[in-house]
Amino acid sequence: EPEVTQTPSHQVTQMGQEVILRCVPISNHLYFYWYRQILGQKVEFLVSFYNNEISEKSEIFDDQFSVERPDGSNFTLKIRSTKLEDSAMYFCASSSTSGNPDTQYFGPGTRLTVL
Amino acid sequence: AQTVTQSQPEMSVQEAETVTLSCTYDTSESNYYLFWYKQPPSRQMILVIRQEAYKQQNATENRFSVNFQKAAKSFSLKISDSQLGDTAMYFCAYVTSGSRLTFGEGTQLTVNP
Repeated sequence: EPEVTQTPSHQVTQMGQEVILRCVPISNHLYFYWYRQILGQKVEFLVSFYNNEISEKSEIFDDQFSVERPDGSNFTLKIRSTKLEDSAMYFCASSSTSGNPDTQYFGPGTRLTVL
Repeated sequence: AQTVTQSQPEMSVQEAETVTLSCTYDTSESNYYLFWYKQPPSRQMILVIRQEAYKQQNATENRFSVNFQKAAKSFSLKISDSQLGDTAMYFCAYVTSGSRLTFGEGTQLTVNP
């Protein structure tokens, strides 16, 4: 069964450093998402991406964040200058349609620890 | 604003028994889906069940079923014959066309032997 994959599973970085989180969505999906979950809290939406551009972003997704689909398979989230409060689990998700609501399938997540 | 509320932060059940997790939501949309996701200690988000709002019939997936009350904006999850592997955080979530998933706060379910 096709699945969303994410690398790395755990990333440790120093405050102020740049990190890139990588995702490979399900191959025939067209809509891609990033969510984050701070430990002990609910899952929060960051950004959605379709047709090589951002379709929606939350107030969390400020100028330090960016997303990119550098090739036909990868979807990345870059955090330019990490802060302590960026420590969280980051989930990538994908779905196949947007004209109607659709199921979003999640990757296993990347645990980001900012020291 | 779209909101999802899970009023039970924690629940426990004995193995082989049945448990129901509650969820309410608020929306003015007519076309939406509702989901229950399971998050075990590994923290992976696993889809448990989906309900399309236009369907009157409640969704079922093996031991998991929902009670969807559209007028009341209620969407509860029933787990029958609970197993130890069902121990996890359960999130109720909502989505409309091409948009973000909105999650509830989660319910931590513990299945006791």
